[in-house]
Amino acid sequence: KAGVTQTPRYLIKTRGQQVTLSCSPISGHRSVSWYQQTPGQGLQFLFEYFSETQRNKGNFPGRFSGRQFSNSRSEMNVSTLELGDSALYLCASSLLDSPYEQYFGPGTRLTVT
Amino acid sequence: SQKIEQNSEALNIQEGKTATLTCNYTNYSPAYLQWYRQDPGRGPVFLLLIRENEKEKRKERLKVTFDTTLKQSLFHITASQPADSATYLCALAKAAGNKLTFGGGTRVLVKP
Repeated sequence: KAGVTQTPRYLIKTRGQQVTLSCSPISGHRSVSWYQQTPGQGLQFLFEYFSETQRNKGNFPGRFSGRQFSNSRSEMNVSTLELGDSALYLCASSLLDSPYEQYFGPGTRLTVT
Repeated sequence: SQKIEQNSEALNIQEGKTATLTCNYTNYSPAYLQWYRQDPGRGPVFLLLIRENEKEKRKERLKVTFDTTLKQSLFHITASQPADSATYLCALAKAAGNKLTFGGGTRVLVKP
């Protein structure tokens, strides 16, 4: 089976712009979670989607949003980018019956200048 | 507030020895504790999961213990190899949903 794929792998944006990141989960996985990883804060949970519904949400401002499509693919959007949004954004998928074993993608490295 | 602590100092260990990593948590009652491995520039890779009612779990050269009284998990890599060099992350989850709370990770360097 193909693993979790994320596009793009690298992205450079300017403050104030918005960005959309994409994630394709492993075939058959219906839960998709998003995490932000920075050297200072480590890995932090953003949100989780299951069957097109947001099931869990972390402590991030409303500028961070996401959605999931009927084929389980997910996107996350960050509006009005700030310098502090520079990070590695990781997507993880899991099976319905093994929800806590998560399979991570390679991440999207976002740099905000 | 919830806190998960892992030793932020890198662990340098000789090949063949056992590496032991610690994960301590406060203000949290996890239903599950997981360990992941992360290599530079890559996403974390799932290694082991242990439930709150389990004391120990093993997988090949890996062993995890979970003490809910001490609020601590120990992660052991026996007969370590240079290929085991990576950052190891512990993560906790409650019973519902897939929200994982991660520790800061411990970098392990196995020297030949």
